[in-house]
Amino acid sequence: GAVVSQHPSRVICKSGTSVKIECRSLDFQATTMFWYRQFPKQSLMLMATSNEGSKATYEQGVEKDKFLINHASLTLSTLTVTSAHPEDSSFYICSAAADSGGLAQYFGPGTRLLVL
Amino acid sequence: KNQVEQSPQSLIILEGKNCTLQCNYTVSPFSNLRWYKQDTGRGPVSLTIMTFSENTKSNGRYTATLDADTKQSSLHITASQLSDSASYICVVRGDYKLSFGAGTTVTVRA
Repeated sequence: GAVVSQHPSRVICKSGTSVKIECRSLDFQATTMFWYRQFPKQSLMLMATSNEGSKATYEQGVEKDKFLINHASLTLSTLTVTSAHPEDSSFYICSAAADSGGLAQYFGPGTRLLVL
Repeated sequence: KNQVEQSPQSLIILEGKNCTLQCNYTVSPFSNLRWYKQDTGRGPVSLTIMTFSENTKSNGRYTATLDADTKQSSLHITASQLSDSASYICVVRGDYKLSFGAGTTVTVRA
């Protein structure tokens, strides 16, 4: 149980284009989903927290207009990197929790984004 | 300053040997502490979770300890296998947020 999937697993795009990453909870309803970014040899950094049907809460320093988050249903959240640039290249990981406090988070396998 | 510090940053061990990873934290209030294993290019997978009242918890060859008084935790890997090569991340939950350590990269060699 508690499986979280991400799609795509890897994506390469040109600078200036937008990329959408999907995060799905496969066997439970995720009240809250979290998006993280991880640079090589660094720990996960929380970007934003999203609750189904409401606007995402972004961490300080994360541009909400650049990283658009949509949590349209209890099993799906999407992260869109708009006008991607090479510095956005990173490993993006989502996690999902069945409770609003995120007490038990289950992580997805991650999406490797490379912006050329 | 990171509220979760892990050591060592990396280590190399021979297959079959044991090793211990350390995690010190300053997160307060404390809710729980998890150890995750993250394979290269993959998301973290939970190994153990401990609350304030738990001192030790095992998951197969992985044994975690927690001293809530000194705010220290350790993860012991017994009889290491090549598949144990990964990054091990200590994650501490406070009120609502998770604080992540930078991880310890373990390389097991034959």
